[in-house]
Amino acid sequence: DAGVIQSPRHEVTEMGQEVTLRCKPISGHNSLFWYRQTMMRGLELLIYFNNNVPIDDSGMPEDRFSAKMPNASFSTLKIQPSEPRDSAVYFCASSSGPATEAFFGQGTRLTVV
Amino acid sequence: KQEVTQIPAALSVPEGENLVLNCSFTDSAIYNLQWFRQDPGKGLTSLLLIQSSQREQTSGRLNASLDKSSGRSTLYIAASQPGDSATYLCAALFNDYKLSFGAGTTVTVRA
Repeated sequence: DAGVIQSPRHEVTEMGQEVTLRCKPISGHNSLFWYRQTMMRGLELLIYFNNNVPIDDSGMPEDRFSAKMPNASFSTLKIQPSEPRDSAVYFCASSSGPATEAFFGQGTRLTVV
Repeated sequence: KQEVTQIPAALSVPEGENLVLNCSFTDSAIYNLQWFRQDPGKGLTSLLLIQSSQREQTSGRLNASLDKSSGRSTLYIAASQPGDSATYLCAALFNDYKLSFGAGTTVTVRA
């Protein structure tokens, strides 16, 4: 298996633009997580899905952030409009269940200028 | 609030020395504890997962222990090598199914 695949690896955008980050979980995994990593706050859980259903989105910072999982092999995290303080590395992770080993993608480094 | 703490934030050792990395968590009601490695600019690589019913897990030169009653986990890396230089993160899965991460310990192994 190729592991968790995220795209793009790097994204530079101007403030106010819409940004969409993509994630393909490991085949057969039914739990998917979106994390954000910054120097100041470390790794923070934004949202997690189980069987394509959002279970907990309490970590989503604002209404500007939204996430979808239309099927078991694809998820998106959208920021609209983007702001400079959204600059961070965004990670997607998947696991075979909510209490099993989590595997992370390589991350998307987002820079909002 | 459920918190995970890693001390020290950074560690430098000569090659060949054994590494001991500490992780503490505030709530003993965890499902599991996972150790990760992160290289600069890279993603997280899972090293070991310890279920709440286990006391330790081993993989090669790595050994992780778990003491739920005291809220502690320790990662031991035997005979360290320069290639072990990285940031090591521990994460506890609490009963809300959220993985909570420590801030990490950045390890430098000097050749």
